[in-house]
Amino acid sequence: GQQLNQSPQSMFIQEGEDVSMNCTSSSIFNTWLWYKQDPGEGPVLLIALYKAGELTSNGRLTAQFGITRKDSFLNISASIPSDVGIYFCAGQMSGSARQLTFGSGTQLTVLP
Amino acid sequence: NAGVTQTPKFQVLKTGQSMTLQCAQDMNHNSMYWYRQDPGMGLRLIYYSASEGTTDKGEVPNGYNVSRLNKREFSLRLESAAPSQTSVYFCASSPINQPQHFGDGTRLSIL
Repeated sequence: GQQLNQSPQSMFIQEGEDVSMNCTSSSIFNTWLWYKQDPGEGPVLLIALYKAGELTSNGRLTAQFGITRKDSFLNISASIPSDVGIYFCAGQMSGSARQLTFGSGTQLTVLP
Repeated sequence: NAGVTQTPKFQVLKTGQSMTLQCAQDMNHNSMYWYRQDPGMGLRLIYYSASEGTTDKGEVPNGYNVSRLNKREFSLRLESAAPSQTSVYFCASSPINQPQHFGDGTRLSIL
């Protein structure tokens, strides 16, 4: 199946620091999504990107759809303890009947 | 605000037993999906239903069957459970061409 390379695998940061994570693919996607998963819960949508070059913010979160359509990044500014969780990118190819390919996740730990 | 509801939340089975995981959504979404999540991996699509009356295989369909009972409900069945099917199973739904919304998962252990 399709592969998304998500990095880093895990991050330990101090409260107040900024965070950046990214996903790359060998295939072109026409949609990029970023989800967050808290322990014992399902993924929750953070940001959806639909156009190459698109830069979208949701509060302290900013995500971009790469120009090549093969990558995306997520930035979190001024991290707080509730940012702890696993962040997943997901890509959707054109004509794939809405099938998503997920990255393996970035485990974020915020230290006080 | 139920969204996507999965039952049961936890289940332990013996190898060879059968089991049906239930999923219901109250958002009037056309499409529904079943994923499995294994440690250190992202979610992998098992089956999906683009609309009521249709189902299609995803990336890892072997050992599973699905039924789109009506627009609200999409069930996943394990006919003869195997230890390799120990996982967390997530159901999701979406409107046409919109992002998917997930349930809170069913944690399944097969001994």
